[in-house]
Amino acid sequence: GENVEQHPSTLSVQEGDSAVIKCTYSDSASNYFPWYKQELGKGPQLIIDIRSNVGEKKDQRIAVTLNKTAKHFSLHITETQPEDSAVYFCAASRRNYQLIWGAGTKLIIKP
Amino acid sequence: GAGVSQSPSNKVTEKGKDVELRCDPISGHTALYWYRQSLGQGLEFLIYFQGNSAPDKSGLPSDRFSAERTGGSVSTLTIQRTQQEDSAVYLCASTPGLAGTDTQYFGPGTRLTVL
Repeated sequence: GENVEQHPSTLSVQEGDSAVIKCTYSDSASNYFPWYKQELGKGPQLIIDIRSNVGEKKDQRIAVTLNKTAKHFSLHITETQPEDSAVYFCAASRRNYQLIWGAGTKLIIKP
Repeated sequence: GAGVSQSPSNKVTEKGKDVELRCDPISGHTALYWYRQSLGQGLEFLIYFQGNSAPDKSGLPSDRFSAERTGGSVSTLTIQRTQQEDSAVYLCASTPGLAGTDTQYFGPGTRLTVL
């Protein structure tokens, strides 16, 4: 069935450096790709999303890129800060009412 | 404004007992989703509601799991005869549209532990 693979499972970066998380999806019909951030003890929260008619989207220090041909999309966080430490999930739409989720990336920002 | 709330926040039960988990979505959100999140894992889709109807129940792991939604608002997820493998965090999310095109707003989850 459809799946989303997410790498790496854990990412440790120095404060101020950039972090990149990558996802690959299998359903060629997917057209919506959100990224969610989950802090300890909380539910996930949307941080950025991209649709299939766009190749890149930026929001301050966060950007997402999409390569539909290769079925890859990536999250880029620049100038990382301690508050960026969390688990990040990518997802891809399945039909118009469901998301298939990656397994998550634990991002650790080292001071 | 008020977000999605879930109760209880934690539930410890004995194997074989029934449990009910509650979700209060954001007012006016027509779609409501239940997910299961095992330790260190991604989100596993269980069921979603459009209004009071559940068009897709395919994610429910077994017939011990059921859910209902009343008045287009509150939803209850019931697990009968709980097993240890049911231990997980159960998340609820509501959406103004549908998850495949719109933002999902999550509650804090219910952590279920089956002894």
